[in-house]
Amino acid sequence: AQSVTQPDIHITVSEGASLELRCNYSYGATPYLFWYVQSPGQGLQLLLKYFSGDTLVQGIKGFEAEFKRSQSSFNLRKPSVHWSDAAEYFCAVGPGTYKYIFGTGTRLKVLA
Amino acid sequence: DAGVIQSPRHEVTEMGQEVTLRCKPISGHDYLFWYRQTMMRGLELLIYFNNNVPIDDSGMPEDRFSAKMPNASFSTLKIQPSEPRDSAVYFCASTSLTGEYPNTGELFFGEGSRLTVL
Repeated sequence: AQSVTQPDIHITVSEGASLELRCNYSYGATPYLFWYVQSPGQGLQLLLKYFSGDTLVQGIKGFEAEFKRSQSSFNLRKPSVHWSDAAEYFCAVGPGTYKYIFGTGTRLKVLA
Repeated sequence: DAGVIQSPRHEVTEMGQEVTLRCKPISGHDYLFWYRQTMMRGLELLIYFNNNVPIDDSGMPEDRFSAKMPNASFSTLKIQPSEPRDSAVYFCASTSLTGEYPNTGELFFGEGSRLTVL
């Protein structure tokens, strides 16, 4: 069965520090993988996606993610966090049988 | 493109009332999804459509919930009668997977409809 695990519910980092958000997935084939960001009161916005090719993908707002098949992981990284990055981040896998599975989210807090 | 448009953005109603949430997907997209987001359960897929046809409604919590897609540019999610436990943010999302111009599979979300049932 498809599943996505985001082991960190909350993460707090200082502004300017590096960030890594973890995502592990279970999937029967090569997945399409996504990271979305949700600001309070807003919908989900796509940060980046992986579906084939280079396993290091670049996204918007300076984010990147690396697909590691051997570890079934797709961790999100940013070298220097800005206060505006405070939000909730969701990892997702799909579209297996045209369903998308989302992780439970990681809420990021940024300290000034 | 205007993106996925949902209405209303906020709805406050009393228990027992009928609630109708609306969604206009991105033009040309052939898949439409309804999700519910709560603190306790996160993002739950309720139902999805392909070319206006419901494909999987196994996530619809009970018979009080129904969804329709009468044409490619409009979908509704109806709750009748509503209950306080239905309070949540309901998202509509669309994508193009098998149409004339398939994208790379990402979902495009609306801004959501926040429902409060008193």
